[in-house]
Amino acid sequence: EVQLVESGGGLVQPGGSLRLSCAASGFTFSSYAMIWVRQTPGRGLEWVSGVSASGDTTYYADSVKGRFTISRDNSKNTLHLQMNSLRAEDTAIYYCTKELWQQHIPHGPFDHWGQGTLVTVSS
Amino acid sequence: QSALTQPASVSGSPGQSITISCTVTSSDVAGYNYVSWYQQHPGKAPKLMIFDVSNRPSGVSDRFSGSKSGNTASLTISGLQAEDEADYYCSSYISSTTVFGGGTKLTVL
Repeated sequence: EVQLVESGGGLVQPGGSLRLSCAASGFTFSSYAMIWVRQTPGRGLEWVSGVSASGDTTYYADSVKGRFTISRDNSKNTLHLQMNSLRAEDTAIYYCTKELWQQHIPHGPFDHWGQGTLVTVSS
Repeated sequence: QSALTQPASVSGSPGQSITISCTVTSSDVAGYNYVSWYQQHPGKAPKLMIFDVSNRPSGVSDRFSGSKSGNTASLTISGLQAEDEADYYCSSYISSTTVFGGGTKLTVL
């Protein structure tokens, strides 16, 4: 059974940093691109960042480019999202998701989602 | 900038069929062939229901079906059941990015 378990969310002040992690199991992690998607009541679902199966290619939404860094450790089946210079508009539930197809670009469809971790940016 | 437009809400009675539309507002509709649909119950993560316009992942009921005509994709749920009440989101890879629709709240009367 595929499992994706996020951690690392919490309350942070504007301008601060946070590192999210996602522990994956139940599939060959190194064969699939992985993605972070966030959700807010006001802006709905938003694709944030993706990384290729090997980890050598990364993708970012314009809204986070230059502030967020996605990475993965295929030896530990773990995905990370380093978030710097956080803003109030980054407040959201962040989901770790898995690409449906092997060796595909990280742009969907997303066939498995974690339970999400809440990030709140506020002073 | 591409956007996917969905109705805010739809409703239907048990046993009926409903259709949720998703219209792409972009001149770049050539890539609008990779449409997915997600179901989300309150407090839960989204669940993939349809991919590549009309394909169902293993385990998804055949009461769910997808189609596309021009720049509008549709999700149809037949034989509505109480557990179908949820939010539904369309998504597509357009102009080198992934976009989501604003979501449609389905109420089963």
